[in-house]
Amino acid sequence: ETGVTQSPTHLIKTRGQQVTLRCSSQSGHNTVSWYQQALGQGPQFIFQYYREEENGRGNFPPRFSGLQFPNYSSELNVNALELDDSALYLCASSFSRYEQYFGPGTRLTVT
Amino acid sequence: AQSVTQLGSHVSVSEGALVLLRCNYSSSVPPYLFWYVQYPNQGLQLLLKYTTGATLVKGINGFEAEFKKSETSFHLTKPSAHMSDAAEYFCAVSGGTSYGKLTFGQGTILTVHP
Repeated sequence: ETGVTQSPTHLIKTRGQQVTLRCSSQSGHNTVSWYQQALGQGPQFIFQYYREEENGRGNFPPRFSGLQFPNYSSELNVNALELDDSALYLCASSFSRYEQYFGPGTRLTVT
Repeated sequence: AQSVTQLGSHVSVSEGALVLLRCNYSSSVPPYLFWYVQYPNQGLQLLLKYTTGATLVKGINGFEAEFKKSETSFHLTKPSAHMSDAAEYFCAVSGGTSYGKLTFGQGTILTVHP
């Protein structure tokens, strides 16, 4: 059974640019959630996708957007990058409300 | 709204000693509670969860936690620390219309001394 995978592992972008992060969910999972973890903090919920529809959103501006594909993989897009967007971005997949399985994350640095 | 408070950003124990990591939550609906562990430069791994039923839950690697509704607590314990337990631990809550949204605490870094 393949776990949650994320790409790329690391990314360096310049302020104002746009970035796309990718996540492949665990086999059999139909729900993907994205979290932002700033240095020294706990992860914060960005949004969740269930069967290709957004199913809940945290306190993040609209320049954070996402997609879920028919195979349940997902993308997180961030436009107009700001320095404060530098963080570890975690994707988690699930099939039920009880457990979310996290990927290794993408480390984004905005300079 | 839900929230989690982890008491102690750093906990240090000797190998073989008891591990106690504290977590208090706030939730207006019956909570689902979770403990996750994060090793350096890695994602989060689920240690254990409480949903309903038995309030003492056992997880992986010898960890357990007890849900105490009256104290709004979900402390994580392990009788005997091992060097490999050194990591950062996060308590999280979900529930109500936000079952899919995990709200995390700030994390507790556990250091294990030989």
